[in-house]
Amino acid sequence: DIQMTQSPSSLSASVGDRVTITCRASQSISTYLNWYQQKPGRAPKVLISAASSLQRGVPSRFSGSGSGTDFTLTISSLQPEDFATYFCQQSVNAPWTFGQGTKVDSK
Amino acid sequence: QMQLQESGPGLVKPSETLSLTCTVSGDSMSSSSYYWVWIRQPPGMGLEWIGDIYYSGTTYYNPSLKSRVTMFVDTSKNHFSLRLTSVTAADTGVYYCARHVRTPGRRYYFDSWGQGTLVTVSS
Repeated sequence: DIQMTQSPSSLSASVGDRVTITCRASQSISTYLNWYQQKPGRAPKVLISAASSLQRGVPSRFSGSGSGTDFTLTISSLQPEDFATYFCQQSVNAPWTFGQGTKVDSK
Repeated sequence: QMQLQESGPGLVKPSETLSLTCTVSGDSMSSSSYYWVWIRQPPGMGLEWIGDIYYSGTTYYNPSLKSRVTMFVDTSKNHFSLRLTSVTAADTGVYYCARHVRTPGRRYYFDSWGQGTLVTVSS
């Protein structure tokens, strides 16, 4: 199985901050990497697929980059509705695996 | 707008079988671009893929659960189901059904999710 490791596990930030979350794969996954946002008590929502392709309806302050083993999710200017947990997920090979999550909370 | 809704018992006894159904509304399950999946999340923890099923009945399971998992689909009722046998407390969590987009361009992702259903394994 491909292991996905996110860092940090949690971070505290303020509205307007630039936030960066990283995800590392245990082997190369090209750009087969998705990002999800999950709010408490809710199902995850896909933000980005194929490492950098923003899903329809997702604000442009979200962006993704990377290839191979190292990936980044960036929120350019954190908004109140962005406080949530973010997961990466590899889509190169089954079993499809997720990172452990990064919780973004208010400083 | 497509929706998915999980249903099934919220409490299962240890060693028994967990059975859940996901009903899809607003779209047909019989599309070549989609698989249908179960994903679970233990309390306060991350996400674990359980398995995929295609409308034809083809399945792919997580090897870590394969000996205990069965998924099946009923396209006439537009629903698919999960059976997990010999459950233990480690199987407690929120179970989500979701649609797995698989585009010809090799872009795969989970784009629509049910609200999730909490299943507790306890005597």
